[in-house]
Amino acid sequence: AQSVAQPEDQVNVAEGNPLTVKCTYSVSGNPYLFWYVQYPNRGLQFLLKYITGDNLVKGSYGFEAEFNKSQTSFHLKKPSALVSDSALYFCAVRVPSGAGSYQLTFGKGTKLSVIP
Amino acid sequence: NAGVMQNPRHLVRRRGQEARLRCSPMKGHSHVYWYRQLPEEGLKFMVYLQKENIIDESGMPKERFSAEFPKEGPSILRIQQVVRGDSAAYFCASSPQRSEVTEAFFGQGTRLTVV
Repeated sequence: AQSVAQPEDQVNVAEGNPLTVKCTYSVSGNPYLFWYVQYPNRGLQFLLKYITGDNLVKGSYGFEAEFNKSQTSFHLKKPSALVSDSALYFCAVRVPSGAGSYQLTFGKGTKLSVIP
Repeated sequence: NAGVMQNPRHLVRRRGQEARLRCSPMKGHSHVYWYRQLPEEGLKFMVYLQKENIIDESGMPKERFSAEFPKEGPSILRIQQVVRGDSAAYFCASSPQRSEVTEAFFGQGTRLTVV
């Protein structure tokens, strides 16, 4: 069975500084990886995904993520944080084979706080 | 172009009552997924439906929970005889096709509180 770990419950960063939200995964097979963001009282919004190809994936709002197969990681990054980036971030994985290949397995989420 | 619409946004039920959660997928989407988010946890898959078909309900509790997606109208997640442990946020997602590479679009969720 696949699993996703987001080792930090909370990340604090000063506005203008680079941010990283960590994600590691455990799957048997090649993963499809996703990042979603949840603002207060809102649904999850898709940010970016890794399917195949370039390990560095660019997404919405200036976010990017790097797929590292040897470290089984898919960390979310942004060069310069904005206060408006403060939200809850979820990493998710799909394994594209076998039963349940469309299911997303989510991490517990990381709360990002950007301090003005 | 409306996104995935869920209602109600908040639902309070007494123990033993029934809860009905509705989800209207995005226009043109015929695949619906329900996820449950318990406090301090990530979202957990519950069920995957297409119009008039349950494709995978492996994440649904065996008792009291059911889901449908009729030919007309929204998808419904029904919880009978609710208990306090059912208190959670329930999210619906939709996609235009069954594809592992396609991202799912999520609604705002229904926050169920059982008192």
